[in-house]
Amino acid sequence: SQTIHQWPATLVQPVGSPLSLECTVEGTSNPNLYWYRQAAGRGLQLLFYSVGIGQISSEVPQNLSASRPQDRQFILSSKKLLLSDSGFYLCAWGGREYTEAFFGQGTRLTVV
Amino acid sequence: GQNIDQPTEMTATEGAIVQINCTYQTSGFNGLFWYQQHAGEAPTFLSYNVLDGLEEKGRFSSFLSRSKGYSYLLLKELQMKDSASYLCAVLDSNYQLIWGAGTKLIIKP
Repeated sequence: SQTIHQWPATLVQPVGSPLSLECTVEGTSNPNLYWYRQAAGRGLQLLFYSVGIGQISSEVPQNLSASRPQDRQFILSSKKLLLSDSGFYLCAWGGREYTEAFFGQGTRLTVV
Repeated sequence: GQNIDQPTEMTATEGAIVQINCTYQTSGFNGLFWYQQHAGEAPTFLSYNVLDGLEEKGRFSSFLSRSKGYSYLLLKELQMKDSASYLCAVLDSNYQLIWGAGTKLIIKP
């Protein structure tokens, strides 16, 4: 069965520090991978999506970046965090047939 | 632009029935999803509709009318554990999920 791992679950980082969130998928190959951010009481905002290794599309201009070094690994990064980067970050994958999206556990990021 | 609308909050009584509506305006349509999200947790999949009509899964049913850009999620025999946010999402012509802000459902005894 397919599983998705995302870590860490919670993170408190000072303003200006770097960020690296990692997401890995098991039990599937060549998935579409997504990074979302969710502000409190809001819907999911798509940040990045990837249809293959090294292929990243950005939906929202920001100081975040994403990379996909391996087929089932998706990384969200920042060189210098801002206060506005605080939120709930979710990694998700969807197959080519895409009748469902599976989410990781989420990372609660607080920038202080 | 693309837009998905759903009520911000609803309240219902344990054992009752509640209907959560979702209207959408998107560039293309390749299906509509409903997800349940408990506070602080990731969303979990409830249903997927791509054709008009009603899909039933136990206590939960989802309806779609593509011509009206409308869907609803029907929850029967409400239980306290159903207190959560319910997210509507549409898969657009580029196979990207467009998300609504979610409906917070409060269940009272």
